[in-house]
Amino acid sequence: SQTIHQWPATLVQPVGSPLSLECTVEGTSNPNLYWYRQAAGRGLQLLFYSVGIGQISSEVPQNLSASRPQDRQFILSSKKLLLSDSGFYLCAWSTGTGGRNSPLHFGNGTRLTVT
Amino acid sequence: AQKVTQAQTEISVVEKEDVTLDCVYETRDTTYYLFWYKQPPSGELVFLIRRNSFDEQNEISGRYSWNFQKSTSSFNFTITASQVVDSAVYFCALKINNNDMRFGAGTRLTVKP
Repeated sequence: SQTIHQWPATLVQPVGSPLSLECTVEGTSNPNLYWYRQAAGRGLQLLFYSVGIGQISSEVPQNLSASRPQDRQFILSSKKLLLSDSGFYLCAWSTGTGGRNSPLHFGNGTRLTVT
Repeated sequence: AQKVTQAQTEISVVEKEDVTLDCVYETRDTTYYLFWYKQPPSGELVFLIRRNSFDEQNEISGRYSWNFQKSTSSFNFTITASQVVDSAVYFCALKINNNDMRFGAGTRLTVKP
């Protein structure tokens, strides 16, 4: 069965510090991968998605970036965090060949607080 | 424009009451998929159901049921005989292509004992 791992679970970082969140998927090949952000009390905002190694699409301009160095690894980064980067970050995967009917399967999330 | 509206920000019920969570969507596409997710206090989103735009048949799964009506662009979710464990934030989502899933703002359901 497929599983998704995301870490760390919580993170407190000062403004201006770098960020690296990692997500890995097991049990499937060539998944589509996603990073979402959920601000407190709000819905989910798609930040990045990837359909293959090295292929990253950005949905929202910001000081965050994403990379996919391996088929089942997705990394969210920032060189300098802003206060507004605080939130709950969720990684998700879907079947690469599944099309529109493929649900997204989410990790447990990372709660980031920028101080 | 593709959009999902969940007008109910918070709902509070007493255990064993029935509760309906509303979801209204907007899209110009004729082929699309609708989803419901549950986000318990632990934070992960749990996939509950998927429905395609050509299948308006209502679905029941235990205490959960879903009412899809294309005429009103709605995909409402009803929990019958609610339980405390149903307390969570529920998200409705619309997917029109492989990489574009739009979520509503979510409805926080609190079930009191």
